[in-house]
Amino acid sequence: EADIYQTPRYLVIGTGKKITLECSQTMGHDKMYWYQQDPGMELHLIHYSYGVNSTEKGDLSSESTVSRIRTEHFPLTLESARPSHTSQYLCASSEYGRRWGDEQYFGPGTRLTVT
Amino acid sequence: AQRVTQPEKLLSVFKGAPVELKCNYSYSGSPELFWYVQYSRQRLQLLLRHISRESIKGFTADLNKGETSFHLKKPFAQEEDSAMYYCALMNYGGSQGNLIFGKGTKLSVKP
Repeated sequence: EADIYQTPRYLVIGTGKKITLECSQTMGHDKMYWYQQDPGMELHLIHYSYGVNSTEKGDLSSESTVSRIRTEHFPLTLESARPSHTSQYLCASSEYGRRWGDEQYFGPGTRLTVT
Repeated sequence: AQRVTQPEKLLSVFKGAPVELKCNYSYSGSPELFWYVQYSRQRLQLLLRHISRESIKGFTADLNKGETSFHLKKPFAQEEDSAMYYCALMNYGGSQGNLIFGKGTKLSVKP
């Protein structure tokens, strides 16, 4: 079944650790996104990709980095986690090039806590 | 600057009452607007888009360019409508066709 997956769902980690949040989709979509969402706040786009070897920064500045080596995989990495990175991270995907704008399909999210 | 404003963090109504979730936007071009919904323990998902002019689960939303609004309405709320609702604007500016989300409104429908 076509879906979008995120692992881990929950992560508690100490300051200074390197972490990678995984996102994979079997939707066959070209475009993928990472959003950051603090409790009670809006989703902020931090990274997106049009396809393999394409990555762009979003509207919210983030210390994280992303890669897109395979169409279905869009991992997000924090080289040195800090308490300010504590948040929920949502991955999404959509078809690229639709005339009426993309319907985005969201993963279940990763809730990250940095202690 | 492009912006989406949802003025209510929480909206509480009784079952059977009408409900209106407000959304105002700021956009220099021709806007494309969406409502996304997140039910408890479920993922964020698209509810409806203005371009489709459709009614989904009894909800409708009309784009009012004069008032720069895209309010979500339902004449008779049901308990299963309780969820977080996010209004979103497609931005074809610097972010190359990406969504700008409002802060969301939590709808609580009481029995």
